Amino acid sequence: GDSVTQMEGPVTLSEEAFLTINCTYTATGYPSLFWYVQYPGEGLQLLLKATKADDKGSNKGFEATYRKETTSFHLEKGSVQVSDSAVYFCALSDQAGGTSYGKLTFGQGTILTVHP
Amino acid sequence: DAGVTQSPTHLIKTRGQHVTLRCSPISGHKSVSWYQQVLGQGPQFIFQYYEKEERGRGNFPDRFSARQFPNYSSELNVNALLLGDSALYLCASSLATGYGYTFGSGTRLTVV
Repeated sequence: GDSVTQMEGPVTLSEEAFLTINCTYTATGYPSLFWYVQYPGEGLQLLLKATKADDKGSNKGFEATYRKETTSFHLEKGSVQVSDSAVYFCALSDQAGGTSYGKLTFGQGTILTVHP
Repeated sequence: DAGVTQSPTHLIKTRGQHVTLRCSPISGHKSVSWYQQVLGQGPQFIFQYYEKEERGRGNFPDRFSARQFPNYSSELNVNALLLGDSALYLCASSLATGYGYTFGSGTRLTVV
């Protein structure tokens, strides 16, 4: 079945440091890929997405590129802020149609803490 | 526009009891999905409904059931609660199956 693997956490950085959170996936077909962020005590917020190979999703300074050849969707940000402290989830969605219905499969999450 | 709303936000139940969680999707969204997020883990898919029909079910026991109403709101029911059912239950809505999902803030269920 589909699966998503994220790098082990937690990740602790100083403000303005470069961030990379690795994400690899296993899926049949051509899934869409997502990064969600969860702040303490809250639900999930969509951070960015990519729907086909070589697409780059970007939002709020975060970027991730859909790499089909390496089945990866690594999250990057050039300069993190204290306000970026949260849990980040990589996820994939099988394409709706036929027996698929677009459910999301999540990785285990990576805790990011940014210190001033 | 209101986002996805879930109620209640928190509740505490005793083992063996049942619970009903509620979700109101974004206006115009016809698909509702439910996810269980155990502390320290990623959300796990429970159900998806579209146009009041079940379109998908995750690997959860029959104690878990759900339904979608004509106004597209949804309920998740869990019977014979176990300690392991303690989790954050998230509802997500979308225009249709396979479209982008918007999540609610969740219901925190604690089973004692």
